[in-house]
Amino acid sequence: DVVMTQSPLSLPVTLGQPASISCRSSQSLVNSDGNTCLNWFQQRPGQSPRRLIYKVSNRDSGVPDRFTGSGSGTDFTLKISRVEAEDVGVYYCMQSTHWPFTFGQGTKLEIK
Amino acid sequence: EVHLVESGGGSVQPGGSLRLSCAASGFTFSSYWMSWVRQAPGKGLEGVANINQDGSEKYYVDSVKGRFTISRDNAKNSLYLEMSSLRAEDTAVYYCARGQWMDVWGQGTTVTVSS
Repeated sequence: DVVMTQSPLSLPVTLGQPASISCRSSQSLVNSDGNTCLNWFQQRPGQSPRRLIYKVSNRDSGVPDRFTGSGSGTDFTLKISRVEAEDVGVYYCMQSTHWPFTFGQGTKLEIK
Repeated sequence: EVHLVESGGGSVQPGGSLRLSCAASGFTFSSYWMSWVRQAPGKGLEGVANINQDGSEKYYVDSVKGRFTISRDNAKNSLYLEMSSLRAEDTAVYYCARGQWMDVWGQGTTVTVSS
């Protein structure tokens, strides 16, 4: 199975400051179509996961532009330019190139 | 509006069975792969199974192979997960999600396996 490794696992951030989460995969996520199937999800407390970013850098509808995904191959990053209170929750990267689809361990973002 | 609503969760003894359902609305269900994802209490997310548009391709995580069966009824816009020989480690919230890209999620249904 592809192992997805996130860091940090805990991320205390001051309101208005930037935040960055790293995600590394144990093998390349480029599929046979040339797509890199790396997605980011946000799970707010008590809620279902919500997809933020798909195929590395494509923002979902309604996702604020302060969220940016980047990376290639096996190394990916989710950046929040200015953290707001509503960003509190756990963030997961997920690969959907190889079955079983696998998630990172999650990064818990909290406000300092 | 696109909606996924799971049902069928509950408490069951080890070795027991449950059938989860996911009712889809607001999109052409038959055009999408569908997935089941679970989250054990206080833990992260785990992909359990997924199924292609006509049900001819099904994939399972190793830990549920031979015990869980994913299926769908496109006429009823519904996805199912038949779970048997349940174990304590299957205790989780089970979510259905649209597609292999998981762009839409339901609210989840809770399965508790305990004696």
